[in-house]
Amino acid sequence: EADIYQTPRYLVIGTGKKITLECSQTMGHDKMYWYQQDPGMELHLIHYSYGVNSTEKGDLSSESTVSRIRTEHFPLTLESARPSHTSQYLCAAGWAPETQYFGPGTRLLVL
Amino acid sequence: EDKVVQSPLSLVVHEGDTVTLNCSYEVTNFRSLLWYKQEKKAPTFLFMLTSSGIEKKSGRLSSILDKKELFSILNITATQTGDSAVYLCAVGDGNNDMRFGAGTRLTVKP
Repeated sequence: EADIYQTPRYLVIGTGKKITLECSQTMGHDKMYWYQQDPGMELHLIHYSYGVNSTEKGDLSSESTVSRIRTEHFPLTLESARPSHTSQYLCAAGWAPETQYFGPGTRLLVL
Repeated sequence: EDKVVQSPLSLVVHEGDTVTLNCSYEVTNFRSLLWYKQEKKAPTFLFMLTSSGIEKKSGRLSSILDKKELFSILNITATQTGDSAVYLCAVGDGNNDMRFGAGTRLTVKP
């Protein structure tokens, strides 16, 4: 099992601001993922990484970007937040896609 | 187009009832099917299924996969109020992508 940490847990921010959602894990998993989930809707994969310096876009097109400079850290950045970015963002990590452990999530509200 | 469909979308039962949640899928290069329980925040892993006909069991929860008919069921017996949650089905494909269904919201009343 992995310890997955996400900060902040909640964020309310104005349109146009740059934000970074942090995700870190302590178990050295190579694979990490970012999902976006609107209330009552399914999770959509927006980014994933299979290791340091490896990042790929997921199924759902997203204006966010990610980086993977260290194994334990997989931050997601929005250069200019908009109300359409309001959602819950879930980070996950695991040895394989089938065994993902999720972080507590970040609820983002863009005004 | 790949898709994962869960039914019902929501379900209300009383404690002690048995429930069956359904997940059907159409995915290219199927690799595995997973069930998660999502309460307030992040999903927690329940089962991973890769072979047809082999039941996975954990306490009052059990699940089975039918790769011929492309579906899985999640059974919960003797439900308790703590079982109230959204149950998510996800399917992994050969591209190492996972596609999630919309979930079934289960409410267990005392």
